[in-house]
Formats: sequence, C-alpha cells, structure tokens
Amino acid sequence: AQSVTQLGSHVSVSEGALVLLRCNYSSSVPPYLFWYVQYPNQGLQLLLKYTSAATLVKGINGFEAEFKKSETSFHLTKPSAHMSDAAEYFCAVTSGNQFYFGTGTSLTVIP
Amino acid sequence: GAVVSQHPSWVICKSGTSVKIECRSLDFQATTMFWYRQFPKQSLMLMATSNEGSKATYEQGVEKDKFLINHASLTLSTLTVTSAHPEDSSFYICSALRDTNTEAFFGQGTRLTVV
Repeated sequence: AQSVTQLGSHVSVSEGALVLLRCNYSSSVPPYLFWYVQYPNQGLQLLLKYTSAATLVKGINGFEAEFKKSETSFHLTKPSAHMSDAAEYFCAVTSGNQFYFGTGTSLTVIP
Repeated sequence: GAVVSQHPSWVICKSGTSVKIECRSLDFQATTMFWYRQFPKQSLMLMATSNEGSKATYEQGVEKDKFLINHASLTLSTLTVTSAHPEDSSFYICSALRDTNTEAFFGQGTRLTVV
C-alpha cells in the first residue's frame, strides 16, 4: 500500500529565506513521486516529479526535491522564498493508476 | 503539457436541484479520470475513479447515487451532484491520467454553492 505523510500543515518563512517542505512516503514498490502547488480556488499545478531517473529533481519556479530512498523522503526546497510562493503544496505518490496525496502544507511567506 | 478543462468553474444552485460538472482532457486520451472533493484548508479527498466505458469505483463513504459519474469517452468524464443540499457545497476537482505511473493533470476546479 502507498501513503504519503507531509509533516507540518503550516510553514511560515521570511521572504528570501529557505523553503523546506517535508514529505515522506511508504511504498512497497519503487514509487513515482510528485509535488503539486495549489493557489486559492484553483486546481493543482505540477511543480516537479521523480520517475526513477536523477534523484535530485528540478522543477518550476526555482523549486527542487531530492529523492532519498534510505529515508523514504522527497522533501521540497527552494533557496529563496518569494511572496508569490505562498500557496498550498501537496506531495503525491502514484502506483499504477492510483494517486495518493499528502494532507498538504500551507506555505506563508512573510515580507 | 497536457490540458484538462473543467467546467463550470463556479456554480450556484438551489437546494434539491442537480448540477453537472464536466471534465475534459483537451489534447490527450485519458485512461483514467479521478474526482476529488476539497474542503477549505484541507487536502483533496478522492471521491471516485473512473475508466472509460466502465462503472466508476467509489471510495468508501461516497454515495454513488448522489454523485453520478459518467465516463462516456476517453476525453470526457462528468460528475452530477443529484438533489444537491447545502452540505454538498465544496470545491470539486477532476484529474486525468494519460498513462499509468505518470503525473495526473488537473482541472481548474469547480466551486459549488448550494443555497
């Protein structure tokens, strides 16, 4: 069975500071992992995905995530937060035709 | 990238009426489509999974007679909220898979308000 855990339902950072959003997964098979961002009253937009190629994945808007099998983690980072990064972020894992989402992390950026 | 169009983006309806929400994959054929419900400040709750030409698979606790899903073609799935009540007010999002083990593409969501 697959599952995703996002630690911290709310994260606040100052503008220009490092963003770190945590995601741990459990999977009985090598997973495909994703990070999505959701702005208010909108659907989800793919930030980046890991599909068993390079373990360090670069996405849009300066975000990146590193797949660490030993830690079963896929944390999302961005070196310098921007006000426009304030949104809800979801980690997801897929197996076959099923998607499993984490509970989401709301990112607040403080000016 | 692949585009999924969801319509309408928002709708207000009277209690007791039915509302249909459409989800279309515009430039690819979707092997599987999903319908989610999202409450404020919460994650997406999977309601059902649908495959073209077959009955949808509903998650536990989701009333299949209330939330009718039709997946008539590889590019269109519809969700009909029948006899809507105020507690059905929510944000509904669809997504589509082009192939297995790939990313899901999301519609922009539908804000349903039942008055």
